[in-house]
Amino acid sequence: DAKTTQPPSMDCAEGRAANLPCNHSTISGNEYVYWYRQIHSQGPQYIIHGLKNNETNEMASLIITEDRKSSTLILPHATLRDTAVYYCIVRVGGANSKLTFGKGITLSVRP
Amino acid sequence: DTGVSQDPRHKITKRGQNVTFRCDPISEHNRLYWYRQTLGQGPEFLTYFQNEAQLEKSRLLSDRFSAERPKGSFSTLEIQRTEQGDSAMYLCASSIRASGANVLTFGAGSRLTVL
Repeated sequence: DAKTTQPPSMDCAEGRAANLPCNHSTISGNEYVYWYRQIHSQGPQYIIHGLKNNETNEMASLIITEDRKSSTLILPHATLRDTAVYYCIVRVGGANSKLTFGKGITLSVRP
Repeated sequence: DTGVSQDPRHKITKRGQNVTFRCDPISEHNRLYWYRQTLGQGPEFLTYFQNEAQLEKSRLLSDRFSAERPKGSFSTLEIQRTEQGDSAMYLCASSIRASGANVLTFGAGSRLTVL
């Protein structure tokens, strides 16, 4: 699996957009980019995934660069409840595709 | 559909005792995963089932650990002769086989404390 690199932490103000970066320079053509988050003492929660195109759902937007070597998760209007550890994971789709988690990025949303 | 359920949510045991955790996946999901998470770390993969078949086991799964999914529905993770190093959150996840991306749904986890 391609390795991902995320900064250890970041913060943003409540109501503002949170832009969480992820580098995956060794990604291969059939690997998806997944984002999960984990709020304290809970299990990880799926947010969004993408292969090549930008994606948007009710939780967030995923912007993948054209060369696919990096991506950004955007939470358009961060709230205090978005304070969590966010994991960027790259994995081949289908077949046996367990997810390998790194340490993630800790997002702190301040009032 | 109530999502992935794990039981118990918390377990405190003495070193040397055996413990068992149960996971009930989403009903139509045929894949089931166990992960372990220690403080400050991301979840670490332990094992994976497709239906009742255990298809992959991590090196983390020592011979004191055993996982089963007897009828391809719920799964159990047993730890024998627990050690203090086994203290962790044990997470279960499930997914459905499909082409393309494989999205895992996680349970809330079972927290184990070994005294």
